[in-house]
Amino acid sequence: GQQVMQIPQYQHVQEGEDFTTYCNSSTTLSNIQWYKQRPGGHPVFLIQLVKSGEVKKQKRLTFQFGEAKKNSSLHITATQTTDVGTYFCAGLSGYSTLTFGKGTMLLVSP
Amino acid sequence: KAGVTQTPRYLIKTRGQQVTLSCSPISGHRSVSWYQQTPGQGLQFLFEYFSETQRNKGNFPGRFSGRQFSNSRSEMNVSTLELGDSALYLCASSLDAGNYGYTFGSGTRLTVV
Repeated sequence: GQQVMQIPQYQHVQEGEDFTTYCNSSTTLSNIQWYKQRPGGHPVFLIQLVKSGEVKKQKRLTFQFGEAKKNSSLHITATQTTDVGTYFCAGLSGYSTLTFGKGTMLLVSP
Repeated sequence: KAGVTQTPRYLIKTRGQQVTLSCSPISGHRSVSWYQQTPGQGLQFLFEYFSETQRNKGNFPGRFSGRQFSNSRSEMNVSTLELGDSALYLCASSLDAGNYGYTFGSGTRLTVV
């Protein structure tokens, strides 16, 4: 079945440093979504990418969808302590279910 | 608008018992999906319902079942509980699963002792 791999599993940065998490799918995706889960919370939808090569920005967050629609990345510029949490990518392939990666846990030290 | 409501928030059950979890989606959302979240396995898909029909099912044993009612509310049931069923169970609603983004509930934390 469809698999979504996410790296790294964990990253610890100093406040102000940049952060990137990468997502790779075993199959071509119709869309990819990103979620953030704060410690003790539930996943919150951030964004959806649909088009090949698409790039979207949300303030300090930049999301990219690969040309082959099998990979994606989330880049955070100048991290803040409020960015702490686990970032999940989730891919949709055809009429199958939304498959989540295992997430990247981000820790930001002040 | 009200978010996704899951009840109960916490449950402690004994091995062998059964449990029913409830989810009320956002008004107008007809798709409800259930996920199991554990530290080691991340978010694992259980099943998805759309307009009272199960459209997809994950790789979980038959002890895990669910249903959706005409008002889109959904329940999931786990019978003959095992220690390994201890997890956070998350319900997510969407206009149409996967295509518009999910809104998750706060989850039900199930502990099996």
